[in-house]
Amino acid sequence: EADIYQTPRYLVIGTGKKITLECSQTMGHDKMYWYQQDPGMELHLIHYSYGVNSTEKGDLSSESTVSRIRTEHFPLTLESARPSHTSQYLCASSEDRGLNTEAFFGQGTRLTVV
Amino acid sequence: AQSVTQPDIHITVSEGASLELRCNYSYGATPYLFWYVQSPGQGLQLLLKYFSGDTLVQGIKGFEAEFKRSQSSFNLRKPSVHWSDAAEYFCAVLTGGGNKLTFGTGTQLKVEL
Repeated sequence: EADIYQTPRYLVIGTGKKITLECSQTMGHDKMYWYQQDPGMELHLIHYSYGVNSTEKGDLSSESTVSRIRTEHFPLTLESARPSHTSQYLCASSEDRGLNTEAFFGQGTRLTVV
Repeated sequence: AQSVTQPDIHITVSEGASLELRCNYSYGATPYLFWYVQSPGQGLQLLLKYFSGDTLVQGIKGFEAEFKRSQSSFNLRKPSVHWSDAAEYFCAVLTGGGNKLTFGTGTQLKVEL
C-alpha cells in the first residue's frame, strides 16, 4: 500500500481565501507531482519537483505555487482562491528504480470554491 | 510532443464479457507505459506497466496489456469483467527524461449486471 497522504480530502472555501493543500509521503521519494483533474477529465500536471528546493511548472498553467523544503512534504498553495480553481488535486511521488519505477498517488483533495 | 490517446471516452460491457481498452501513444524513444485505475473519489492505482522485454504484461486484478510498437499501442484487456471493475482507466507514458507522467483522457468503464 502506498504511503502518500493528502489533506484535506474535501474543502469548500470562499472566494479570495488563501488555502494550502497538504501532501506527504513516507517512502523517501525524490520526485513529487501535483495533478489537477476536473470531473470526468484527464489529469493535467501542474507542478513537479525533483527533490528538496527543486520545483518546476507542469504542462498546465496554474495560479498555484508549491514548495519543497523537506523530501517528504510538497504543499500546494493558492493565495486567493477563485471558483475557477474548483477541481480535484492529486499528489503523487516516485523514484527511479529502473524497471520498478512507478508513481504512487494520494487519494486527492476535492476543492470547491464558492 | 509526447502524448497519449484513449479513443473511447465511455465503454459499457456486460459482467463476464471480455474487455479491451485502447491506448495509443506518441513518443520518440522507447516508451515507459502504464495503466492506472481510478475508482470514484479515489486516487489512482497502478494496474500494470511496461518498460521493456516481454510485450505482454500481466497486472493486478486479472488485467493484462500488450505493447505493439508497430501500432504505437498499449491496449488493456481482461478476459471476464466483474462488476467491481467499473471505474475510470487511464493510460500514461513516462516522459521528460523519466520525470513526468503524461496521462490520456481516460476511459469510463460501466459494467452491466
